[in-house]
Amino acid sequence: GEDVEQSLFLSVREGDSSVINCTYTDSSSTYLYWYKQEPGAGLQLLTYIFSNMDMKQDQRLTVLLNKKDKHLSLRIADTQTGDSAIYFCAESIGALTFGSGTRLQVQP
Amino acid sequence: DTGVSQDPRHKITKRGQNVTFRCDPISEHNRLYWYRQTLGQGPEFLTYFQNEAQLEKSRLLSDRFSAERPKGSFSTLEIQRTEQGDSAMYLCASSLEGGSYEQYFGPGTRLTVT
Repeated sequence: GEDVEQSLFLSVREGDSSVINCTYTDSSSTYLYWYKQEPGAGLQLLTYIFSNMDMKQDQRLTVLLNKKDKHLSLRIADTQTGDSAIYFCAESIGALTFGSGTRLQVQP
Repeated sequence: DTGVSQDPRHKITKRGQNVTFRCDPISEHNRLYWYRQTLGQGPEFLTYFQNEAQLEKSRLLSDRFSAERPKGSFSTLEIQRTEQGDSAMYLCASSLEGGSYEQYFGPGTRLTVT
């Protein structure tokens, strides 16, 4: 079966790095995604990684993938108060299967 | 703005009534997805279309739910005989077939069943 797990909450200080972790179970997932959701808003696609890659960097975002352990992480460098939101990882074989989300709180 | 749009944004209905939501995908996208999100949870897949064909439905989807995409462009999601447990945010997303299948989401329709 498919199951994606994330920790519920992360608090960091402005300017620090944030690392949000995710584990997934379906080894046939081709792509893995990170989405951001602000209060009352839809989901914003942040980045994605192809399953045969182990790292992808996009400006302040770095995605690391450990396919052997089925572990995905999102690192946000120089975290800002505007990064406060819920972050979802998702795996895809057709439709997306989402985790429950990690709420990131950025303290000024 | 050529993103995914959904209508209405909010719907309040009484238990037992039927409701219909509309989604307009990004114009060149041939795949369209429906998800449901309840408070504190990630979105849960309901169904998806490729062009006008409905390719997959979640086994969790009640037979009170039906979706159509008659001309391969916009889609409608209908819920018949609504129940309080149907209260949720209904999200629509679209993507191109192939490549990285990135799905882009609309703002959602929040349904409240009283």
